[in-house]
Amino acid sequence: AQSVTQLGSHVSVSEGALVLLRCNYSSSVPPYLFWYVQYPNQGLQLLLKYTTGATLVKGINGFEAEFKKSETSFHLTKPSAHMSDAAEYFCAVSLGGDYKLSFGAGTTVTVRA
Amino acid sequence: EAGVAQSPRYKIIEKRQSVAFWCNPISGHATLYWYQQILGQGPKLLIQFQNNGVVDDSQLPKDRFSAERLKGVDSTLKIQPAKLEDSAVYLCASSLGDRYNYANTGELFFGEGSRLTVL
Repeated sequence: AQSVTQLGSHVSVSEGALVLLRCNYSSSVPPYLFWYVQYPNQGLQLLLKYTTGATLVKGINGFEAEFKKSETSFHLTKPSAHMSDAAEYFCAVSLGGDYKLSFGAGTTVTVRA
Repeated sequence: EAGVAQSPRYKIIEKRQSVAFWCNPISGHATLYWYQQILGQGPKLLIQFQNNGVVDDSQLPKDRFSAERLKGVDSTLKIQPAKLEDSAVYLCASSLGDRYNYANTGELFFGEGSRLTVL
């Protein structure tokens, strides 16, 4: 079975500052890893994903994440926060081809002007 | 390309009443999922369909929840009778995903969700 732990349920950053959201996973087989964003009253939107290959993955809106197998981590970063980044972010894992995502509890990001 | 459509967006019912949610996935997507998202938690998979067959319903409370996907296209999730703890957002998602097609990277596309309040 696979699972995801997101460290920190709330993160507050100043506009222009680094955004760092932490995600650790457990998986018995090589995982597929995802970050989704959810804006209020909307569904989840894919930010980026890691399946195989390059461990540094770039996504939409300037976000990127690095898969570190030795640390079982997939942390999400953005160099400079924008007010529009205020949302809830979910890390998720699936076991390769079974396509059943297991989600973390989510991290709410607020951006201070 | 049209996204995943869900209805109704909001529903308020009394406990012990019944409710049904409808989902129309992206055209051509073989796999359909229903997730339950309780406030403050991540989405939890309730049921996964591959075409019109059930792949996984291990987390579905079958004494009160049921789901079907007739003709392998749209799907309905029903709760009867509802309990207070069923208050949540019910998210439908679809993917091209074929569990035997490893070229597919498994991205799920989500609808906007149906928010249920049980009083």
